[in-house]
Amino acid sequence: NAGVTQTPKFRILKIGQSMTLQCTQDMNHNYMYWYRQDPGMGLKLIYYSVGAGITDKGEVPNGYNVSRSTTEDFPLRLELAAPSQTSVYFCASSREAITGELFFGEGSRLTVL
Amino acid sequence: AQSVSQHNHHVILSEAASLELGCNYSYGGTVNLFWYVQYPGQHLQLLLKYFSGDPLVKGIKGFEAEFIKSKFSFNLRKPSVQWSDTAEYFCAVRRPNAGNMLTFGGGTRLMVKP
Repeated sequence: NAGVTQTPKFRILKIGQSMTLQCTQDMNHNYMYWYRQDPGMGLKLIYYSVGAGITDKGEVPNGYNVSRSTTEDFPLRLELAAPSQTSVYFCASSREAITGELFFGEGSRLTVL
Repeated sequence: AQSVSQHNHHVILSEAASLELGCNYSYGGTVNLFWYVQYPGQHLQLLLKYFSGDPLVKGIKGFEAEFIKSKFSFNLRKPSVQWSDTAEYFCAVRRPNAGNMLTFGGGTRLMVKP
């Protein structure tokens, strides 16, 4: 089973460039999330979605945008990359919020120089 | 300040040693508690969770965790670690009455020496 798939796994950007991190899940989960992981800081929620057409900000949304046109896909867009966005990004999904069990992708390591 | 604290950032143990990783949170009221694990090169996966009932929760691979409400803690334990337990461990808290989102601790990187 594919589960949650993220692309690309690695990317180097120059300051000011834009890019989209792709995330797709094949479990028909309603909830999807984007986290960033920085050393010693755990995972911080960037954006989340409770279903197609519905998105909301998490703890650290500045500099990012998302969309949710289908149940399967939840892309994360960086419009003007900054060094502070160097991080590892994780996409996750869950059937519902209540159980709290998230299924994670393998992560995307982004470096902004 | 982080609302979910894992005080040990790095832990090194020899095989067969006992493990206890601390997790404290600063929220009042009802909480749901989780431990996630990230093995090298793999994605995060759920280790165990606590919602209600017996405060001693057993998870996969011989791990367990104890919820102590008076101490706002949910420490992870394993009586005898193996080399394959080398991983990063994350505690997470969900507040059902405050948006349902998970808040993660900073993680503890465990290295088990063979």
